[in-house]
Amino acid sequence: GAGVSQSPRYKVTKRGQDVALRCDPISGHVSLYWYRQALGQGPEFLTYFNYEAQQDKSGLPNDRFSAERPEGSISTLTIQRTEQRDSAMYRCASSSTRGELFFGEGSRLTVL
Amino acid sequence: AQSVTQLDSQVPVFEEAPVELRCNYSSSVSVYLFWYVQYPNQGLQLLLKYLSGSTLVKGINGFEAEFNKSQTSFHLRKPSVHISDTAEYFCAVSVGGSYIPTFGRGTSLIVHP
Repeated sequence: GAGVSQSPRYKVTKRGQDVALRCDPISGHVSLYWYRQALGQGPEFLTYFNYEAQQDKSGLPNDRFSAERPEGSISTLTIQRTEQRDSAMYRCASSSTRGELFFGEGSRLTVL
Repeated sequence: AQSVTQLDSQVPVFEEAPVELRCNYSSSVSVYLFWYVQYPNQGLQLLLKYLSGSTLVKGINGFEAEFNKSQTSFHLRKPSVHISDTAEYFCAVSVGGSYIPTFGRGTSLIVHP
């Protein structure tokens, strides 16, 4: 497609369940980013890939969070044993040049 | 590590009035600077960017921003706003070579008729 596509757009889950959020970047974009955005806040960096290599995962809050991009295109952010504090908008972005990011519409996660 | 401060959480303004949204950053090395806009229920989209060269940068929808290295600022301006400019505006900075933008908490621009 023409833009960054994220799915699901909305996810409601019960505490303790695992969730997987998917991101399909703009074709040809080398870099892929995951951010988390709480209500009333700016996006907070989680992790970043160049091709299939995870270059930086310093923003992942704890070891329940993981991400992969096995073929250098689609990426999955997985949250295990979800907690209520994980509720947020999760945003994916892709880039081809010097930090100019193209964002998807986000996946809103609600943990009950 | 770099940080970004957006001094105003909300800026109300009347239609056709000028507006300035303030952004300051902290970094001791060269930076790339960005402004993004987020309309309701949409993703962020790039308004303008400063990578190098002229310190006055023009973006889409009539917005411009000026990089001031001595004041470590990158304020966003528009001479005459429209109702359709009502949105959340985010300033972001990445340190040269990092390519990982750090975002401010955002400024909500509210344009009244």
